[in-house]
Order: sequence, then C-alpha cells, then structure tokens
Amino acid sequence: DQQVKQNSPSLSVQEGRISILNCDYTNSMFDYFLWYKKYPAEGPTFLISISSIKDKNEDGRFTVFLNKSAKHLSLHIVPSQPGDSAVYFCAASKGNTGKLIFGQGTTLQVKP
Amino acid sequence: DTAVSQTPKYLVTQMGNDKSIKCEQNLGHDTMYWYKQDSKKFLKIMFSYNNKELIINETVPNRFSPKSPDKAHLNLHINSLELGDSAVYFCASSQNRGGGLADTQYFGPGTRLTVL
Repeated sequence: DQQVKQNSPSLSVQEGRISILNCDYTNSMFDYFLWYKKYPAEGPTFLISISSIKDKNEDGRFTVFLNKSAKHLSLHIVPSQPGDSAVYFCAASKGNTGKLIFGQGTTLQVKP
Repeated sequence: DTAVSQTPKYLVTQMGNDKSIKCEQNLGHDTMYWYKQDSKKFLKIMFSYNNKELIINETVPNRFSPKSPDKAHLNLHINSLELGDSAVYFCASSQNRGGGLADTQYFGPGTRLTVL
C-alpha cells in the first residue's frame, strides 16, 4: 500500500527547458510535502518543501505546486541544467511525526 | 566536515552473520533515523531516536536493533542476516522530531549491504 507514488520512473529534457516531475499521494492527512534530490552513491539532499496550507512554493529555479483536491504535487525546474540530472524523490508526512513517506523516485536526465 | 556519516559504505556478508552499521552526525541534531531503500528503490523509515529515546519503530524484524549511545550516534545492528536484508541503508538526522517546515532531515551517503 504505497501512499506516495511517482509514476514516471524517468524523464529526459533538454538543457534550458522546463522539467516537470509529478507525485501523487493517497493519504489526505499528509500536511507537509518535500522533494529530495539524489546523486549516485550519495544520500538524498533536501531540495524544497511545501505545507498543505499553501499551493505553491518557489526557490530560485525550483517551484513546487500542490493540488490538494487532486492529491497531486509537482516540481518544476526552469531552466533545467545538466547538473540537475539526478533521482528526485517526493516525500510526505503528517503532523510532527517525523515519519517521511517517500515515493520511488524519478530519474531526471538533462541533456546539454 | 561531513554532516551525517556512515560506516562502512559497502558491506558484503554471508547469510546468518551479525553485522553493524554506524552513523554519526555533527550537526548537533536531536533526532536520528534509519531508512532502508529496497530493490524497488522505495525509501522506508525503520527507526527514529530523539535524544537517545526511540520514537519511531516501524514494522521491522526484531533482528534489527538500533542503538544510540548518545544523540550524535545511531548504530544499526542486524542479527542472523537474510538474503532479503540486502539493500541500501541510509541514516538521517534532524534538529527536532523531523516534522514540519523547520525540521529538514539530512541524510548520510548510505551503506550498501549485500547478503550472499
């Protein structure tokens, strides 16, 4: 019973274009959502987050959108750069449990 | 000046053996975690300790036992290793209990465990 799903295992975009990574969740009690980025042989690193009271959060080239009615969030990267090539994990939590529920990741390849 | 470190990075062992993975954080955080990334790439939380107190204990076989000698260290002991224990194990830490906007979890580089 996977509560957080990333249905696209991979995505390939051209440098300079927009990358859109998607994530769906099933538990309406989740109130905090995050994106982590992971390079090979390294641990995930925090990228950006959003609270359920917001529908958008922006940090530089990265924007996360939350659609609570659809139980869907997305990460937009614009413009995409080759250094953005990595695995992106969506995660969700509820309350102050500290328990992050992760999706299975989407591998992004940004081509020069 | 690694924030969250794990040793060893790779661990290859035989079924039935007992092994340990060590984790240390130098961020001054109060909470530490162990996650398992299985063959399907899902990252799943196993345990969490806050100031040496166990606060999250997911459905994990009791062959897995975390030990926190102090709040900067959280070690994972695994007894009677099985083939299905092969995975990448990540340690993480956060300032507080890891919930909400102000409490990001920082991950170590992972330990790849292979059980033969």
